[in-house]
Amino acid sequence: EVQLVESGGGLVKPGGSLRLSCAASGFTFSNAWMSWVRQAPGKGLEWVARIKSKTDGGTTDYAAPVRGRFTISRDDSKNTLYLQMNSLKTEDTAVYYCATEYYGMDVWGQGTTVTVSS
Amino acid sequence: DIQMTQSPSSLSASVGDRVTITCRASQGIRNDLAWYQQKPGKAPKRLIYAASSLQSGVPSRFSGSGSGTEFTLTISSLQPEDFATYYCLQHNTYRTFGQGTKVEIK
Repeated sequence: EVQLVESGGGLVKPGGSLRLSCAASGFTFSNAWMSWVRQAPGKGLEWVARIKSKTDGGTTDYAAPVRGRFTISRDDSKNTLYLQMNSLKTEDTAVYYCATEYYGMDVWGQGTTVTVSS
Repeated sequence: DIQMTQSPSSLSASVGDRVTITCRASQGIRNDLAWYQQKPGKAPKRLIYAASSLQSGVPSRFSGSGSGTEFTLTISSLQPEDFATYYCLQHNTYRTFGQGTKVEIK
């Protein structure tokens, strides 16, 4: 069974940092493109970042609101996706989901909550 | 960036009704579009990919159509479990979600 499990969320002060993890199982993670998507409380879905597989170049793309502050990365030896979030703002408060990419987001994790507040 | 305009933002319908939701892209995206259903407190679930291909396990009352800039999700006969929020996603250039359509019980 394909499974994605996010972790690393929590409460952080504005300007702080946090690293999210997404543990993958049930599929060949190294071949997969992966994305992070977030959802602020009571709001819609917002794509955050995407990373291609290393065989497809391993390139990354970011949504404008997080470009320069967030970094998506992967460790194929650990079947794990990461999102390093720096210079956090209150508007980054959201549930963060990781998802496999195949004709858009295919399989989703259950999400991890990030709260940015003083 | 490609903008996705989804309409309506909400609708009220009865069990058995035919429901149509539309997404318009600000530029052509071929058929690089998916549709998702989300229920409160849950992760989104993909219904349709490549604009018109039904995700495995999804009931056949869901269908998608369109190409280029205009796309439609249709629920042919609304069931009680279909009351949820629906989103479109373009994945042609970066990724952009529509604003969502909340389907409520009439």
